[in-house]
Amino acid sequence: EIVLTQSPGTLSLSPGERATLSCRASQSVSSSYLAWYQKKPGQAPRLLIYGASSRATGIPDRFSGSGSGTDFTLTISRLEPEDFAVYYCQQYGSSPLYTFGQGTKLEIK
Amino acid sequence: EVQLVESGGGLVQPGGSLRLSCAASGFTFSGYAMSWVRQAPGKGLEWVSAIPGSGGGTYYADSVKGRFTISRDNSKNTLFLQMNSLRAEDAAVYYCAKGTTVTTRSFDYWGQGTLVTVSS
Repeated sequence: EIVLTQSPGTLSLSPGERATLSCRASQSVSSSYLAWYQKKPGQAPRLLIYGASSRATGIPDRFSGSGSGTDFTLTISRLEPEDFAVYYCQQYGSSPLYTFGQGTKLEIK
Repeated sequence: EVQLVESGGGLVQPGGSLRLSCAASGFTFSGYAMSWVRQAPGKGLEWVSAIPGSGGGTYYADSVKGRFTISRDNSKNTLFLQMNSLRAEDAAVYYCAKGTTVTTRSFDYWGQGTLVTVSS
């Protein structure tokens, strides 16, 4: 079973700053199968990045993804007020079929 | 426009059963795998179950294997989750999610969720 560990657990930043979120896998993950989601309270998760680095439809270009193997990163270049949320990485594998990281909460400093 | 609308959640006693439904529209339902993903109160996202577009083959998280059954009716564009022997730890908001292509395997559209409460 592949475990995804996200860090930090909570990230406190101000609007306009750059956010760097990490997702580390316990085993190598295919870059094609690594995605990032944004989750706000009371809302459905929103796909941000798929294939480790491709932005989903309608996602602003301040969001970018990178990485390979066991280390992946979501970067938000300049934080907007609406970006403060919880972010999850997700991978597709064998058993279980899909795994999510535990999440990183991005809060306003 | 893609829409996923869940229903069927509610309050159930431990050991009881519920059947969740997810009505899909705006895309060729039979062409895509679908999943159920849940979020317990104060917790993160947990994948529960998946089913291919054809309906052949089903997949489950260990935490629900043997108790939950996923199915779909492609003629009615509807996804189901039959939940039996419910436990307190199954309490969560349950989301249905549309799979992307087989080359990327993520979830590009989600419903708004349906709340399942397990309590006596």
